[in-house]
Amino acid sequence: AQKVTQAQTEISVVEKEDVTLDCVYETRDTTYYLFWYKQPPSGELVFLIRRNSFDEQNEISGRYSWNFQKSTSSFNFTITASQVVDSAVYFCAPLRMDSSYKLIFGSGTRLLVRP
Amino acid sequence: EAQVTQNPRYLITVTGKKLTVTCSQNMNHEYMSWYRQDPGLGLRQIYYSMNVEVTDKGDVPEGYKVSRKEKRNFPLILESPSPNQTSLYFCASSLLMRDPGNEQFFGPGTRLTVL
Repeated sequence: AQKVTQAQTEISVVEKEDVTLDCVYETRDTTYYLFWYKQPPSGELVFLIRRNSFDEQNEISGRYSWNFQKSTSSFNFTITASQVVDSAVYFCAPLRMDSSYKLIFGSGTRLLVRP
Repeated sequence: EAQVTQNPRYLITVTGKKLTVTCSQNMNHEYMSWYRQDPGLGLRQIYYSMNVEVTDKGDVPEGYKVSRKEKRNFPLILESPSPNQTSLYFCASSLLMRDPGNEQFFGPGTRLTVL
């Protein structure tokens, strides 16, 4: 069964600090997908990135970067020069590769960026 | 604008009073899904639908019904709501048939309180 662990329940940083959110997943699928979503205080779920298991290239999008390490089953997310608007709950979610195609959400990591 | 809409956004009701939460998407997605989000439990899938007239149970279907008569709509029905169905509900849709790893678009959420 698929499972995700985001060991950091809450992280608090001061604005402009870099912060890394850890994600460790378990899967028995040889082909799989991983997603990151952001949930700001307003409550909506915002898609950030998806990664498939074929592609181990790290990705950068502005201040955001992702480090995918298949060997350690990790898909970590780094925010460089954090801003107050980055304050949110962040979810790493593997996709269940059966007919449900459900996203496996853990409890997420709550990030608080203080001014 | 490509989007998933949900109505109502907020609802307070009483035990036993039937209600429907509507979900509609304008992206011609064949896959739609409902999740509920509860503190400490993350998001859990309630029902999903791979296409019109094709629906199936997710992890927590008890007390819910769905229908998929049209591709764009996927209403969630609570025939006899109970207080343990107080939660934040999200509808999602995706174009999975082309690529299972396609982004799942989420609606803005419906906060339901059952007294």
